[in-house]
Amino acid sequence: DTGVSQNPRHKITKRGQNVTFRCDPISEHNRLYWYRQTLGQGPEFLTYFQNEAQLEKSRLLSDRFSAERPKGSFSTLEIQRTEQGDSAMYLCASSFRGGGRLSYEQYFGPGTRLTVT
Amino acid sequence: AQSVTQPDIHITVSEGASLELRCNYSYGATPYLFWYVQSPGQGLQLLLKYFSGDTLVQGIKGFEAEFKRSQSSFNLRKPSVHWSDAAEYFCAVAPGYNQGGKLIFGQGTELSVKP
Repeated sequence: DTGVSQNPRHKITKRGQNVTFRCDPISEHNRLYWYRQTLGQGPEFLTYFQNEAQLEKSRLLSDRFSAERPKGSFSTLEIQRTEQGDSAMYLCASSFRGGGRLSYEQYFGPGTRLTVT
Repeated sequence: AQSVTQPDIHITVSEGASLELRCNYSYGATPYLFWYVQSPGQGLQLLLKYFSGDTLVQGIKGFEAEFKRSQSSFNLRKPSVHWSDAAEYFCAVAPGYNQGGKLIFGQGTELSVKP
């Protein structure tokens, strides 16, 4: 069990560019979550997948954001036409659905810090 | 709508002193409650959780939390703080069964430890 991994750890981009982040969950976990955390705030839910199905999207997830989990394993989060307001830490978490209450235990990756200049 | 409030943005305690971090939630039923810790530049680590049953729950690193339904609170405590406990602490709620398991977080409490 190597934990949740995220790449890259840091990304600096210019406004208007597209960026893509990757998340690799814990191998037996079938739920995967994306959160966004801005400075001085707690994480805010963006979206989640159960296997390859995207089951919920927050209103925070504008049409410039898209997330995929094509084979039910890793996931990508893409931001198109980045804006300075997109600067934040993007956190990925995973959990195992089917474990009863244990499915509510989410394990977080180290995050990808995005800076839009 | 469900919400979590952590009234204290920043707390400073002396090493060896006791600690209590406050958390209040707003939810119609009994939610699932969590405390996470985040060190600078790192992801979140689960400290402890409450689902049901005994209202005093034990976690890792010597932390405990008490669920009080009448006060809608889930405060985190530690009897003796170590310098390595300096970090940001987040209280979170999972709104309930069949809600997808997403977590709603408070804004966090930053803990500083004086030598």
